[in-house]
This record gives sequence, C-alpha cells and structure tokens, in this order.
Amino acid sequence: NAGVMQNPRHLVRRRGQEARLRCSPMKGHSHVYWYRQLPEEGLKFMVYLQKENIIDESGMPKERFSAEFPKEGPSILRIQQVVRGDSAAYFCASSLDGGPNTEAFFGQGTRLTVV
Amino acid sequence: AQTVTQSQPEMSVQEAETVTLSCTYDTSESDYYLFWYKQPPSRQMILVIRQEAYKQQNATENRFSVNFQKAAKSFSLKISDSQLGDAAMYFCAYRRWGAQKLVFGQGTRLTINP
Repeated sequence: NAGVMQNPRHLVRRRGQEARLRCSPMKGHSHVYWYRQLPEEGLKFMVYLQKENIIDESGMPKERFSAEFPKEGPSILRIQQVVRGDSAAYFCASSLDGGPNTEAFFGQGTRLTVV
Repeated sequence: AQTVTQSQPEMSVQEAETVTLSCTYDTSESDYYLFWYKQPPSRQMILVIRQEAYKQQNATENRFSVNFQKAAKSFSLKISDSQLGDAAMYFCAYRRWGAQKLVFGQGTRLTINP
C-alpha cells in the first residue's frame, strides 16, 4: 500500500508563474490536508478537503491560492502569480475518514522555490 | 486560537543517553489530542507518539514516552537510549477533538553525538 505521494518533489518557478502541486492520498483515503512549512518553522495548516468538497480553508491565503480534490485523480494545490514569499515546503496528508481517532499520514512534501 | 510552543530550538545528546524535549500549548478545550512528529532530513513527517487528553496514563512507544501534564498544559517527549537515527527535527502538535487540522510548534532540532 503506497503512502501519500506528492509530486514534484522539487519545483522551481519564476515570479509571476503558476505552481501546481499534486497529492495522491493513500489508497482508500478520501480526506486530504495541505500544510505549508516555511524555512525553520513548523507546518501551518492551509486547507482540508474531501472528494469534491472543501471542508476547511481557514489557513489559505485569500488570493492566488486554490485547492481542489476531484472525484478522480489527485488533489491539486495551485498557486497563481507566485512571489518569493511563496517559497516553502508544501506537505499533503491524507486520512481514511474525518473521525476523531483517525490518523493522518504525510507525504514527503514539495519544495517550491521561487526565483 | 490554540497555540503550541517549543522553547528549545536545538538540543543535543550523547548516543545512548536520555533527552527530553519540551512542549507547551494553550487551549480552552478539554478534549484534544497531542502528537510528536519526527522530521528527518528526508522531510518525511513521521508520527512518533500521540496522547489523548482524556487519558491520564502517559503514552509510551518503545524508547519514546511522554510526560503529559494537562493542568500545566505541558507535553514533553523523552527519548531513552538515544540512537544516531533519532537525529531529526521534532515537532509537537495539537488537534482539537472533532477537528482535523493540526497546530504545530516551531520544532526542536535534535542532534545525537556519537
């Protein structure tokens, strides 16, 4: 059973370009979470999605950031018109359900560098 | 809003010795979970141990154990018989009962000296 797969592992974008980060949850998992980790900091929650639904986007910046988790295919975190401050590691986690005892499993992250 | 604080940016310990990493948190909730995650250089976030707030007994996983002091809102991690493979960033995290998002501390970088 493969773990949470994120790709690419490393992504370099010029300022103003778009970044698309993909996350394939563990098999059977229908809940996905995105976190951002700035250098030398802890992870910060961004968004929580179920299939085709955004459940909690309280940590998402209001502009330029969007996320989706379609019925088929991976979850996508999209950052439009990237700026240097978007440089960070972006982690995806997935869980089987949203129950109180469920455990979330993390991917290895995508390191985004904006030049 | 809940906050998690790790006051030790860096710690080091001799191989085979014991080390304790500190974590405090702030919440008005009575039901919640606490976690310690390990992040080695590969960046993979690995769950080390978890504690349910309603349980008085401290969680233990092999060489890893916690000291959970609910009234003091303290949740420290003790690593016994430290091994070179324990070298990593360690993050303390909080999750409110019924919620899914984790609130992380700033992390403690643990170095193991051979």
